[in-house]
Amino acid sequence: EVQLLESGGDILQPGESLRLSCAASGFTFSNFALSWVRQAPGKGLEWVSRISDNGVTSYYADSVKGRFTISRDNSKSTLHLQMNSLRVNDTALYFCVKSRTAWFGDGFDLWGQGTMVIVSS
Amino acid sequence: SYELTQALSVSVALGQTARITCGGDNIGGKNVHWYQQKPGQAPVLVMYRDANRPSGIPERFSGSNSGNMATLSISRAQDGDEADYYCQVWDSNTALFGGGTRLTVL
Repeated sequence: EVQLLESGGDILQPGESLRLSCAASGFTFSNFALSWVRQAPGKGLEWVSRISDNGVTSYYADSVKGRFTISRDNSKSTLHLQMNSLRVNDTALYFCVKSRTAWFGDGFDLWGQGTMVIVSS
Repeated sequence: SYELTQALSVSVALGQTARITCGGDNIGGKNVHWYQQKPGQAPVLVMYRDANRPSGIPERFSGSNSGNMATLSISRAQDGDEADYYCQVWDSNTALFGGGTRLTVL
C-alpha cells in the first residue's frame, strides 16, 4: 500500500527540541522530493520544508529557517524533521507529503495522516 | 512575498456548479494545485498544474488559470464535496497555500 506514516509528535515546552519521522512505503522513495506541511488547530495549511530526492537540497519557510532541519534516509525510506527552539506558534499537526513527480513545481499527491506537536508553557 | 487570496466560504445548491477562486499577482504564469480537505482528514490533491485531475478524481472537478485568478470548478455538486479547498503554488523555492475556502452544499 502506498502510504506515509508520521511519528514523533509530543507535548513540549517552549525552547525544547523534537524530531519527527515519516516512514514511506509502496513507492520508490528515492525518486521523489518530500516536504513537511503543518496545520495549526483550526487554521490553514502552511508549508514548512522540502528536501530533494537525493537529499542534497533543502528549503525552508522563513518561519522555521535556522530552527528546523529536514533530512532523509533513502536506504530506510524515512524522512525526518529536527525541530529546535520550539515556539508556541509551532503547535500544529505536521504532515509528511510527497511531490507528485520529480519536477520541482508539482503538487503534493500523497499525504500522511499527520503527527501532532503541541508547544505550551 | 507572493500571496494567494481565497474567499473564506462558498455556498452552492445541490447539483449546481461551485466555483472556488484563488487570486494572485499574475497567477496565470504559475502552476496552481488544488487540495480538498474534509474534517479530520488529510488533504487530497484534486487538481494539479491548473487543470489536470489525478487518478480517482471525478470529471466533475475542473480547473482553469489565467491572469490574476485560478478557479476550481465543481459541477453537479454533491454533499460529499463539502470540504475546505486550498490552492497552492511554488514561488522562489517556497510552497505557498491560499487561506482555504469552505464549500457548503445547500
